[in-house]
Amino acid sequence: DGGITQSPKYLFRKEGQNVTLSCEQNLNHDAMYWYRQDPGQGLRLIYYSQIVNDFQKGDIAEGYSVSREKKESFPLTVTSAQKNPTAFYLCASSINSGRPRGELFFGEGSRLTVL
Amino acid sequence: SQQGEEDPQALSIQEGENATMNCSYKTSINNLQWYRQNSGRGLVHLILIRSNEREKHSGRLRVTLDTSKKSSSLLITASRAADTASYFCARAQGGSEKLVFGKGTKLTVNP
Repeated sequence: DGGITQSPKYLFRKEGQNVTLSCEQNLNHDAMYWYRQDPGQGLRLIYYSQIVNDFQKGDIAEGYSVSREKKESFPLTVTSAQKNPTAFYLCASSINSGRPRGELFFGEGSRLTVL
Repeated sequence: SQQGEEDPQALSIQEGENATMNCSYKTSINNLQWYRQNSGRGLVHLILIRSNEREKHSGRLRVTLDTSKKSSSLLITASRAADTASYFCARAQGGSEKLVFGKGTKLTVNP
């Protein structure tokens, strides 16, 4: 079945370590996104990509990095520069990359905890 | 803040009752979308309403949009315990490539 796969589901990190969250989609979607969700909060956009080899910063990009080498994959690296990385991370994709934004398809999320 | 406000923040009702959630926003939109999130899971798209539409239905869901008041509402009729979740509105704002999400309404449907 088509969908978005995020891994790992749970991840623990020591302070000062970089971690990479995986996001893979087989929906043949052009656009992919990373959101961060904190308890009781809405989603905040970290990075998004409308096409392979191109991506843009969202509202809270500091301390994060991404790559888009393949259409299917959009990994997110949480670097040691991110001061408060403990959160629930959601990856999403959409069929088009134009405006206005259409429906987003989400993965099941990755919960990162910094020890 | 670009985020709008969802109201109420939390809602608790009995099975069979209707649930109404509201979403307000500040800037012009191209469309407004509603999503559902079960605890600890990803979001699932429910319905999209365009700025030139006033009402849309999908099963037990009814969404209205009032662009003059910059507000939208989501009505779930004949609620079930399985409807327990958080519900988010997201705005596709004019001239922007991004969707802006609200903080959500946490709905609890008691059996």
